[in-house]
Amino acid sequence: NAGVTQTPKFRVLKTGQSMTLLCAQDMNHEYMYWYRQDPGMGLRLIHYSVGEGTTAKGEVPDGYNVSRLKKQNFLLGLESAAPSQTSVYFCASSYKVAGVFLTDTQYFGPGTRLTVL
Amino acid sequence: DAKTTQPNSMESNEEEPVHLPCNHSTISGTDYIHWYRQLPSQGPEYVIHGLTSNVNNRMASLAIAEDRKSSTLILHRATLRDAAVYYCILRESFSGSARQLTFGSGTQLTVLP
Repeated sequence: NAGVTQTPKFRVLKTGQSMTLLCAQDMNHEYMYWYRQDPGMGLRLIHYSVGEGTTAKGEVPDGYNVSRLKKQNFLLGLESAAPSQTSVYFCASSYKVAGVFLTDTQYFGPGTRLTVL
Repeated sequence: DAKTTQPNSMESNEEEPVHLPCNHSTISGTDYIHWYRQLPSQGPEYVIHGLTSNVNNRMASLAIAEDRKSSTLILHRATLRDAAVYYCILRESFSGSARQLTFGSGTQLTVLP
């Protein structure tokens, strides 16, 4: 299994440009997540999805859009990039947990390092 | 998720055991104890989790105090590749929806050759 993969690994954008980050997982997980990590800060959730065709906002959703057309893929879009979106972006996935006294484990991709000039 | 307290940094010699402590005095009865680590320039990686009993897997062991107010992640033989930030996270057991994983500041483990 490849686990969670992300493309591209690195990208440099100019302010106002758009791009899409792709996340793919081969573990048949229901849930997928997009986080960003800034220097000296923990991971912050941007958007997440609980299944194909469904998405929801996380802690810091502004300036981003997402789509989950296929169960294995979760796309993160930046319509008009801003320098404040310079960050490392991590995708994660987890299986659906249903039931009391159960817990979830998230599996992360290697990250995409994005710089917006 | 309830709060955890970890030392900012620890050092270990290669091929020696490492004990990484975590205090969680406000843990509730339904909180699981999770450990993740983040190697340099990589995504976080799940290590282990437990509820009440000690747990072992191929990566590490988790020792949980009898009162559950603290736990210790044990790396039996540290290698240079184990140098990372280790995060202790409490996760309330639940039924249903996806949730954000909240990382604190963690413990920076340095492994000396």
